[in-house]
Amino acid sequence: AQSVSQHNHHVILSEAASLELGCNYSYGGTVNLFWYVQYPGQHLQLLLKYFSGDPLVKGIKGFEAEFIKSKFSFNLRKPSVQWSDTAEYFCAVNADYGQNFVFGPGTRLSVLP
Amino acid sequence: DAGVTQSPTHLIKTRGQQVTLRCSPKSGHDTVSWYQQALGQGPQFIFQYYEEEERQRGNFPDRFSGHQFPNYSSELNVNALLLGDSALYLCASSLVPGILGPTDTQYFGPGTRLTVL
Repeated sequence: AQSVSQHNHHVILSEAASLELGCNYSYGGTVNLFWYVQYPGQHLQLLLKYFSGDPLVKGIKGFEAEFIKSKFSFNLRKPSVQWSDTAEYFCAVNADYGQNFVFGPGTRLSVLP
Repeated sequence: DAGVTQSPTHLIKTRGQQVTLRCSPKSGHDTVSWYQQALGQGPQFIFQYYEEEERQRGNFPDRFSGHQFPNYSSELNVNALLLGDSALYLCASSLVPGILGPTDTQYFGPGTRLTVL
């Protein structure tokens, strides 16, 4: 069975600090990878996705993620966070073209002004 | 272009009751998936509907059932509610079902907050 782990439960940063949120998955076959964000009181929104090709993918709002197949990882990065990035971030994996998305437990990011 | 909509926004039920949640997919989408998101956790896949049939199912008991209508909208029904069913129920829609090709992005609705007392 697929599973997704996220390294940190809660990350606290000051504005302008760099961000890296870890995501590891367990599945040996073809995977599609996603990062979703849930701002306070809002619904899940797609930040970025990886299907194939360049393992470094760029998303909205300055976020990027790198797929490292050998490490089963898909870490999310942003060089300089803003207060408005305060949200819950979820990594998700979709394997073998199924419609079943497996989500990680989420990482809560708090950015201090 | 309307996104995914869900109703109601909030719902309070008591143990043993039954509940029906509704979802309208994003315009142009034909596949609907349902997720349960308990407080402080990531969404967990319940099931997915395409062409009015349940195509995939997660690890949820038969108390959870669903339906998809010809206009692609969907319902989630939960019978014999338990306290542990309290959660945010999310609906997500997409266009390409898994059996036909790579999964397209899923777009999520705002969710229905279910509280079971």
